[in-house]
Amino acid sequence: EVQLLESGGGLVQPGGSLRLSCAASGFTFSDYAMSWVRQAPGKGMEWVSGMSGDTKTIRYADSVKGRFTISRDNSKNTLFLQMNSLRAEDTAVYYCAKKGAYSSGWSMYFDYWGQGTMVTVSS
Amino acid sequence: DIMLTQSPDTLSLSPGERATLSCRASQSVTSSYLAWYQHKPGQAPRLLIYAASSRATGIPDRFSGSGSGTDFTLTITRLEPEDFAVYYCQQYGTSPPFTFGQGTKLEIK
Repeated sequence: EVQLLESGGGLVQPGGSLRLSCAASGFTFSDYAMSWVRQAPGKGMEWVSGMSGDTKTIRYADSVKGRFTISRDNSKNTLFLQMNSLRAEDTAVYYCAKKGAYSSGWSMYFDYWGQGTMVTVSS
Repeated sequence: DIMLTQSPDTLSLSPGERATLSCRASQSVTSSYLAWYQHKPGQAPRLLIYAASSRATGIPDRFSGSGSGTDFTLTITRLEPEDFAVYYCQQYGTSPPFTFGQGTKLEIK
């Protein structure tokens, strides 16, 4: 059974930093690209960042480029999101999501998601 | 970026009825690369449909997707109590950023 478990969320002041983790199990982690998707309170979903299984390709949304860094440790089946220079508008539930098994290249849907971790940026 | 607009924002129906949810794209979605998700509060989003009309593993056949180009539809025949949730569409036909619709809340009438 595929499981994705996010952790690391919390309350942080504007300008601060936070590191999210996503522990994966139930599939060959290194075979799949992974992404972070967020949902601000009362808003829809926003794709944030993605990384290929071999770590060679990384993509970011313009809204986080230069502030967030995605990484993964395939030996520990874990995905990370380092978030720096946080802003109030980064307040959201952050989900990690696995690339869909029948996706092709970077045209991807997400077949498994975690339950999310809440990040609140406020003074 | 492709914008997705879902309608209606809220749909009020009774169990046993049929639900029709719409997702319209600002430009044609390449290869009908459109997915639908179900999301309940506090839970992980659940993939229902990919490639516009392919049901994901374990999804009941009362869920079906259709459409191409800019207009897509999720249909749920014979609503069950557990189907009341928020539904999102997502396009993945172009390189990132992948975009989502704003969601349709399906509520019990």
